[in-house]
Amino acid sequence: GAGVSQSPRYKVAKRGQDVALRCDPISGHVSLFWYQQALGQGPEFLTYFQNEAQLDKSGLPSDRFFAERPEGSVSTLKIQRTQQEDSAVYLCASSLPGTSGYNEQFFGPGTRLTVL
Amino acid sequence: GDSVTQMEGPVTLSEEAFLTINCTYTATGYPSLFWYVQYPGEGLQLLLKATKADDKGSNKGFEATYRKETTSFHLEKGSVQVSDSAVYFCALFGTSYGKLTFGQGTILTVHP
Repeated sequence: GAGVSQSPRYKVAKRGQDVALRCDPISGHVSLFWYQQALGQGPEFLTYFQNEAQLDKSGLPSDRFFAERPEGSVSTLKIQRTQQEDSAVYLCASSLPGTSGYNEQFFGPGTRLTVL
Repeated sequence: GDSVTQMEGPVTLSEEAFLTINCTYTATGYPSLFWYVQYPGEGLQLLLKATKADDKGSNKGFEATYRKETTSFHLEKGSVQVSDSAVYFCALFGTSYGKLTFGQGTILTVHP
C-alpha cells in the first residue's frame, strides 16, 4: 500500500476485555514500531521488530501487553484484560532496515482505544 | 535516559506572524533531532531533521538548528499560514536503537 495502515481506527472496549490492534507496514519495510500516545502527550515507545524478531520490548507497560509479527510483515498488538489507563492512541510506524543511524519512521493514522 | 521537553502550549497566532516553538533535550552521546507534525485527522509526518551539531534542518519554510551547547532544537517559521495549524512534536533518536523519544507536543492554531 501507499502508507502504513492500522485497523480498527477506533475501538471501544469494556474493562477486562481483550483487544487486538493490527498494523500493515509499508511494503519492504522490515522495521516496525509500536507507540502509545495518551491524550495531550507525545508518543511513547512500546516495542520494535526487525522482520519477525522482537528486538526491544522495553516500553511495554505490563505483561498484559503483547506484540507479534510472525511473518515479518503484519503486526498485532494485543492487550489483555484492558484497564481504563490503557485508553490511548496506539501508533504503528515502519522504516527501511538499518544497522546504525536513523531511517525515517513512517507513521500510520493510529487506533484510538477507549476502555470504559 | 533520553528526554525531550517542549514549550507549553497551545500557541495561537495570526497569519503571517513569526513562530518559535522551543525544544530542549537530554541525551547521552550525539542524538539525531527531529520535528514531526500532526495535521488534524492525519498521522505523524516528519517535518525536518538534523543529525549533528550546528546542522540546520528546513522544510516548508520551517527551520531548526541543532545546538549542542544549549541542547536545543527550536522550531521557527518567519510567516505562518492558517494551513500550518497542527500539533508539533520535537523528537530525538539516541542511544536506544530504533526508539524515537518525543516531547509532549505543542498545539499551534493560526487565525486568518
